[in-house]
This record gives sequence, structure tokens and C-alpha cells, in this order.
Amino acid sequence: KAGVTQTPRYLIKTRGQQVTLSCSPISGHRSVSWYQQTPGQGLQFLFEYFSETQRNKGNFPGRFSGRQFSNSRSEMNVSTLELGDSALYLCASSATENYGYTFGSGTRLTVV
Amino acid sequence: SQELEQSPQSLIVQEGKNLTINCTSSKTLYGLYWYKQKYGEGLIFLMMLQKGGEEKSHEKITAKLDEKKQQSSLHITASQPSHAGIYLCGADRGHAGGTSYGKLTFGQGTILTVHP
Repeated sequence: KAGVTQTPRYLIKTRGQQVTLSCSPISGHRSVSWYQQTPGQGLQFLFEYFSETQRNKGNFPGRFSGRQFSNSRSEMNVSTLELGDSALYLCASSATENYGYTFGSGTRLTVV
Repeated sequence: SQELEQSPQSLIVQEGKNLTINCTSSKTLYGLYWYKQKYGEGLIFLMMLQKGGEEKSHEKITAKLDEKKQQSSLHITASQPSHAGIYLCGADRGHAGGTSYGKLTFGQGTILTVHP
């Protein structure tokens, strides 16, 4: 059974650009959550999607957005990149909340 | 202050030694997850605890949830270099009749180094 797949693995962008990250959940998992991990703030929740609907959102500016497709794959977009957006972005999928969350390997975003 | 406090922040042990990492919550714990992370990589699921007093073991790792103390502990027996990494506890705040909708609140992590 394939795990959670995140692409790309590494990304370098310039300040002001926008970026799209992709997450393919485990087959059968309909919930996809996104997290940002930085040395200073640790792991912070961005948002969660279930059946193409955003059910929960963390405390991030509107530059951070996401969506989920009918096959449960999810994308997150960050517009007008800032240096502080440099981080490891992780997604996690779950069949149901009672069965835990499986994380992907992450996308390392560097903004220069 | 953090919602989830992990202690210690870092730990250096000799191979073969036992160790314990604690995770204390400032809010009621309903579900508690333990993950391991190698630097710059994704999180590897270790265990999930949902009931007070629950204890789970996998290989040489045991985790317990003390609901009254709002605390969980992770114990590694006879540590090996392969145990080295960052251990993270994550709390699910929504299991008391509701749902967290994918949101886990994480501690700051405990860095474990195991010397051969």
C-alpha cells in the first residue's frame, strides 16, 4: 500500500512568486491535512480537507490556500512568497479521525 | 506557554540505556499521538493513545497516557542508534464528542541522540 506522496521534494522560489505543492493521500483516505514546520514555530496546522471541502483552518494569512480534488489529492498554494515562508510543508492523510494520521515526507520550500 | 510541553528538549544516551520522554498538556487530553522524525523528513507514526490509562508497546517502545495528569510518556528500552531522531507528541483536542478535523497540536519535540 503506497504511503502519502508529496511533490516536489525540494523547491526554491524567489520572494513575491507563488508556489503550488501537491499531496496524494493513501488510497481510500479522504481527509488531508497540511502543516508547516519551522525551527522557530515547530509544527503548525494550516488546513484540512475532506471530500473536497475545507473543514478546518489554522491561523495563517489568506496567502495560504488549498483545495482537494474528487480523487482526494490535495494541493496547497502560497502566493506572494515571503522569506518567512521557508519551511518544511507536510501533509497527512486519514481514513477517519479515530485511525490516526499518516504523514508524507514533506516538501522543503526555500524562499530567496 | 506551549499547549504541549515535552521534556527533556534533548537527550543523549549510551546505546543500551533506557530512556523516557514526557509530554504534558495544559488542556484536557482526549487523544495523544507519538511520532518520530528524522531531520528534514516526514513524521513516522509510532502510537496513538485514546483512553486514560492506556498503554501500548511496539518493539522496544512503550507509551502511556495518564488522563488525570494530562500527561503521556514514551519509554524506550535498551536504546539503539536506530532510535535516534526527533520525537514529537501531538494532541487531538476533538475527541470528546467532537472532532478535530485533522488538526493536531504538537509539542516542540525531543531530540534523541544514541551513542554506540
